[in-house]
Amino acid sequence: SQQGEEDPQALSIQEGENATMNCSYKTSINNLQWYRQNSGRGLVHLILIRSNEREKHSGRLRVTLDTSKKSSSLLITASRAADTASYFCATDGGGAQKLVFGQGTRLTINP
Amino acid sequence: DVKVTQSSRYLVKRTGEKVFLECVQDMDHENMFWYRQDPGLGLRLIYFSYDVKMKEKGDIPEGYSVSREKKERFSLILESASTNQTSMYLCASFGPRGGNSYEQYFGPGTRLTVT
Repeated sequence: SQQGEEDPQALSIQEGENATMNCSYKTSINNLQWYRQNSGRGLVHLILIRSNEREKHSGRLRVTLDTSKKSSSLLITASRAADTASYFCATDGGGAQKLVFGQGTRLTINP
Repeated sequence: DVKVTQSSRYLVKRTGEKVFLECVQDMDHENMFWYRQDPGLGLRLIYFSYDVKMKEKGDIPEGYSVSREKKERFSLILESASTNQTSMYLCASFGPRGGNSYEQYFGPGTRLTVT
C-alpha cells in the first residue's frame, strides 16, 4: 500500500523561526492532508490541499503540493512553543475515506 | 464540533484476555476507523467500517475483530491479547468539514499495555 513519508523525522528549532516539514507519497491522490498530534493525544486536522492546487494557506500554515514529484511541504511560520507536536501527512490514494498516514515529523520548539 | 470518544485512556490487560475498545462519535458519520500507532511505524489501519454491520480489513487485521451494531459506535476486539498488541489505539470517524472538504476526526486514543 502507498505510504506517506515525512522528512525529517525530528526537527528542533528556536521559537520564532520557521519550520518546514516534507512529505513524499507513492501513488496518485485526490488530496493530501496534514494533521497534528500533541503528545499522547489524538490527531487534529490542520489543512487539506487538493491535487489540482499547488499552494494553500491557513493562518501561519503554508502547504505546497507538487504532484509531479509526489511531494508536499508544510511550513509553519513564526513558530511558538505551542506548535511542539508531531505532524503527519495523509493521502487518500484515490479512495476518499481511507487515508494512509506517514510516520510523522516530531517538531520541538525551544523557548 | 464533532466529538469522538474512546472508552479508556489507559488500559492494562493480561496476555490471553479478551479486550474491548469502544469508540463513539456524535456526528452521524458513516465511516469509522481503528488505527494503532507505534514508534517508528506511524499510524496503521486495523479495520474500518462504512456502515452499520459493514466492515473491511485494513493493513494489519490479524488478531483483531470489530463490531458495528449502531452507527455511532465502533468497537475493536482483541480476541486473545498478546504482548505485541501493546500500543496506542486511535479511533476516527470520517465526515464533512465544510464546503467540499472532508477530514478524519480522531478520538483521544487508548494506550493499551498487555503484560
